[in-house]
Amino acid sequence: GENVEQHPSTLSVQEGDSAVIKCTYSDSASNYFPWYKQELGKGPQLIIDIRSNVGEKKDQRIAVTLNKTAKHFSLHITETQPEDSAVYFCAARRNFGNEKLTFGTGTRLTIIP
Amino acid sequence: ETGVTQSPTHLIKTRGQQVTLRCSSQSGHNTVSWYQQALGQGPQFIFQYYREEENGRGNFPPRFSGLQFPNYSSELNVNALELDDSALYLCASSSYTGVRETQYFGPGTRLLVL
Repeated sequence: GENVEQHPSTLSVQEGDSAVIKCTYSDSASNYFPWYKQELGKGPQLIIDIRSNVGEKKDQRIAVTLNKTAKHFSLHITETQPEDSAVYFCAARRNFGNEKLTFGTGTRLTIIP
Repeated sequence: ETGVTQSPTHLIKTRGQQVTLRCSSQSGHNTVSWYQQALGQGPQFIFQYYREEENGRGNFPPRFSGLQFPNYSSELNVNALELDDSALYLCASSSYTGVRETQYFGPGTRLLVL
């Protein structure tokens, strides 16, 4: 089955600097890669997603890049703000079958004011 | 907010008991997936329901079962609770219309088994 690895597990960044979180996946049949933000006591919230037919997608301060050949994708957050502090999860889904998402182990991002 | 609601928010049970968790999907969504999130880990797929039928299952024993109702809401039932079942249980809804769309998660139910 699919295996998603995520690094780093913790990340501290000065406010205003950029943060980068990286994930690798094992199943070449995966074609959809969402990123979720989870705040304490809440469910995961989708922040951005990318499908395998594009290499990069951007939404204001957040961007995701995908390298299908190397099977890795990354989340980039620029001009970080204190409200960006949370746990971030990457996930992967295959292009057939059911909706199963395979998640990474999460990155705890702390923005230092 | 995603429009996905779950009840109850918290629950305490003892080992061997049974529990039922509930999920109301976002309006217009016909697919519900359930995930288990242990402390400090990513969510793990339990199973998915599409149009009232199970459509895929993760690596969970048969004592984890579910239902989906005609209004697309769903239940997760766990029998013979074990200590390791303590976790946050998340449901996610999506809309399958020939193209699989994004999943939106509810706030979760936190289950503690003593």
